[in-house]
Amino acid sequence: EDQVTQSPEALRLQEGESSSLNCSYTVSGLRGLFWYRQDPGKGPEFLFTLYSAGEEKEKERLKATLTKKESFLHITAPKPEDSATYLCAVQARSGNTPLVFGKGTRLSVIA
Amino acid sequence: KAGVTQTPRYLIKTRGQQVTLSCSPISGHRSVSWYQQTPGQGLQFLFEYFSETQRNKGNFPGRFSGRQFSNSRSEMNVSTLELGDSALYLCASSLIKLGLAGDEQYFGPGTRLTVT
Repeated sequence: EDQVTQSPEALRLQEGESSSLNCSYTVSGLRGLFWYRQDPGKGPEFLFTLYSAGEEKEKERLKATLTKKESFLHITAPKPEDSATYLCAVQARSGNTPLVFGKGTRLSVIA
Repeated sequence: KAGVTQTPRYLIKTRGQQVTLSCSPISGHRSVSWYQQTPGQGLQFLFEYFSETQRNKGNFPGRFSGRQFSNSRSEMNVSTLELGDSALYLCASSLIKLGLAGDEQYFGPGTRLTVT
């Protein structure tokens, strides 16, 4: 069974204090790993898709990396507006499999 | 380009009733997926529709059903509501069917269903 575990569950950072969020996964052949951001009361917002180990993608203060067992979302010099829940999801290669989501990391950035 | 829209945004129902939720995908998107989000279980896949056909279904009871129309709009229905069905129901659309390159999903704001 495909599984995604995100850590930590919650993270509190001072503005400008860089850190990383972890997404560990077990999947029978990875087709893609997805990162989303979700603000309270809203639907998840697509951030990145990673397809193969060693791949990296960046967007503003966020950089996502992928290994064979986990993905990291690095946040450089975060600002209060980066506060949100960050969700990781995986999709297996076989068949028309849906996304399997982790429970997310709730990030709070304090000014 | 307008995003994914869901109606209604909030709904309060009583146990035993049924409910229908609606989703309009991004223009040109042909795949619509539905998810249930709860604090305990997180986001869980309900089903995916592409070209009016259900391609995949998650591990939910038969009380949960859906359909897609020729204009790609989708509805999901929950019959005989239970207290545990209280959740945020999210719809996501993608340009193509899941499993192919370029299948990034874009989510709507969700429908908050409360069952009393």
